[in-house]
Amino acid sequence: GQQVMQIPQYQHVQEGEDFTTYCNSSTTLSNIQWYKQRPGGHPVFLIQLVKSGEVKKQKRLTFQFGEAKKNSSLHITATQTTDVGTYFCAGLETGANNLFFGTGTRLTVIP
Amino acid sequence: EAGVAQSPRYKIIEKRQSVAFWCNPISGHATLYWYQQILGQGPKLLIQFQNNGVVDDSQLPKDRFSAERLKGVDSTLKIQPAKLEDSAVYLCASSFRSSAVSYNEQFFGPGTRLTVL
Repeated sequence: GQQVMQIPQYQHVQEGEDFTTYCNSSTTLSNIQWYKQRPGGHPVFLIQLVKSGEVKKQKRLTFQFGEAKKNSSLHITATQTTDVGTYFCAGLETGANNLFFGTGTRLTVIP
Repeated sequence: EAGVAQSPRYKIIEKRQSVAFWCNPISGHATLYWYQQILGQGPKLLIQFQNNGVVDDSQLPKDRFSAERLKGVDSTLKIQPAKLEDSAVYLCASSFRSSAVSYNEQFFGPGTRLTVL
């Protein structure tokens, strides 16, 4: 079955440092979505990537979809305390009808 | 725009008891999802509805879990009887009509935190 792994599982950074989380799927994806879940909160949609090699930016966040459409990354430049939370990628396997959420990367930002 | 509503927010039961969760999606959203999120893990899809029809329930433990969306709007998820390993947050999400061809973002509700003792 489909598996979506994320690394690292945890990341502690000093405020102002950069952060990257990587998402790897065992199968080819038709698209990938990223969600952020604050501690005690629910997942909130960040972005969707569809095209091979696609790169999208949202202020300090940069999202990339791999050429083979089996991996993705989220990079945050100059982290802030508001970036704290768990970042999940969620992939839609080609031909499937539902997303498969990754294991998540929990980000802690030390002020 | 009102978000996805869920109730109750918290529930504590003993094993072998029954429990039901309710979800009201965002108005106009045809697709409704129930997820189970165990502490420290990503959400795991239990069931997906398109209007009042089931799209995917392959990961729903059907011997104890059931869900319905009779009028294609709100939905209930039931566990009967509950086991200790069912302790988790149960998240409901909705989206505009989604398919393998066109997949939309999901809007999540606040979740129901279930503790089974």
